[in-house]
Amino acid sequence: EPEVTQTPSHQVTQMGQEVILRCVPISNHLYFYWYRQILGQKVEFLVSFYNNEISEKSEIFDDQFSVERPDGSNFTLKIRSTKLEDSAMYFCASRAREAGIADTQYFGPGTRLTVL
Amino acid sequence: SQQGEEDPQALSIQEGENATMNCSYKTSINNLQWYRQNSGRGLVHLILIRSNEREKHSGRLRVTLDTSKKSSSLLITASRAADTASYFCATRGTGTASKLTFGTGTRLQVTL
Repeated sequence: EPEVTQTPSHQVTQMGQEVILRCVPISNHLYFYWYRQILGQKVEFLVSFYNNEISEKSEIFDDQFSVERPDGSNFTLKIRSTKLEDSAMYFCASRAREAGIADTQYFGPGTRLTVL
Repeated sequence: SQQGEEDPQALSIQEGENATMNCSYKTSINNLQWYRQNSGRGLVHLILIRSNEREKHSGRLRVTLDTSKKSSSLLITASRAADTASYFCATRGTGTASKLTFGTGTRLQVTL
């Protein structure tokens, strides 16, 4: 069964450093998302991406964040200058377009980001 | 309460018993989805119910939706130790935005 994959599974970085989190969505999906979950808290929406542009973003997704689909398979989240409060589990999700199943978002296993 | 708030926060039952989790939300929705998360792991999609549906089944799962009360429930029948996880509801609003808004989750512990 196709699945969303994410790398790395765990990233440790120093405050102020740039990180890139990578995702490979399910191959025929057209909608892509990033969410994050701070330890012990609820999952929060960051950004959605469709047709090579951001379709929606939350207030969390400020100028320090960017997303890119550099090729036909990868979808990346970049944090330019990490802060301690960016420590969280980051989930990528993708969604198909076909009617009837278009609404289900499939999540990857997550990247645990630890900012020291 | 916030969009997608669940109760109970924690539930402990014995294997073979049924587990019921509830979710409440505040705004109009297109659909509501339930996800499972094992400790520190990813989110696994369980079931989706659309706003015009009232009940849906999938294996041992039964989901209900009451849009007049803005609430949903997830019933897991004949629970197993492997069902131990956190369960989240997530709503998709109406309109073109497709983001999911997650609830606070219910932590289910199934003991032998």
